[in-house]
Amino acid sequence: QKEVEQDPGPLSVPEGAIVSLNCTYSNSAFQYFMWYRQYSRKGPELLMYTYSSGNKEDGRFTAQVDKSSKYISLFIRDSQPSDSATYLCAMRQTSGGYQKVTFGIGTKLQVIP
Amino acid sequence: DVKVTQSSRYLVKRTGEKVFLECVQDMDHENMFWYRQDPGLGLRLIYFSYDVKMKEKGDIPEGYSVSREKKERFSLILESASTNQTSMYLCASSWGGEAQYFGPGTRLLVL
Repeated sequence: QKEVEQDPGPLSVPEGAIVSLNCTYSNSAFQYFMWYRQYSRKGPELLMYTYSSGNKEDGRFTAQVDKSSKYISLFIRDSQPSDSATYLCAMRQTSGGYQKVTFGIGTKLQVIP
Repeated sequence: DVKVTQSSRYLVKRTGEKVFLECVQDMDHENMFWYRQDPGLGLRLIYFSYDVKMKEKGDIPEGYSVSREKKERFSLILESASTNQTSMYLCASSWGGEAQYFGPGTRLLVL
């Protein structure tokens, strides 16, 4: 079993829809959670960085962490064609120095105009 | 804003060639990383460095070496390129345990 599971998609939604992207994980020591957006043939871009359970909002994006269920989500409101990209979740253990980051495989999202 | 740059966006090399990929970051980050990204396999860590002249193996170091002579620069070396090293190579940097910031990537094709 992989430490981080993420459905590769593709996920197709109409413009304006609310998008929900999810990852599950098995390592209860993960405490820091990240979401990256990667456009085709480009490097990943950090979108959200959260610690512990709860919600974090940034514009149209909301990151949600449920540590009891080992489940994280990224919600995109009022989705736009420019949101079409692959979204990678990432997570790591405690702070202090370098701790290995474990990435999901990425979910490919397509927003249809 | 953090800026991570990679020396080439696209490279075509022949089997057996020595290949150098360079990465530069401008935020005084202590940690730097090299990953490769392949369809269906996701991101895999090749090597990382937490200080000048320091390096640690990642998950797939075979066939690769690295060099970090200056804090801002981290080089990945393919000693003798092989076709199975055709991939997207991504450099990243971070400060301490904070999130990693990625460069634009280098698409390497080995013929």
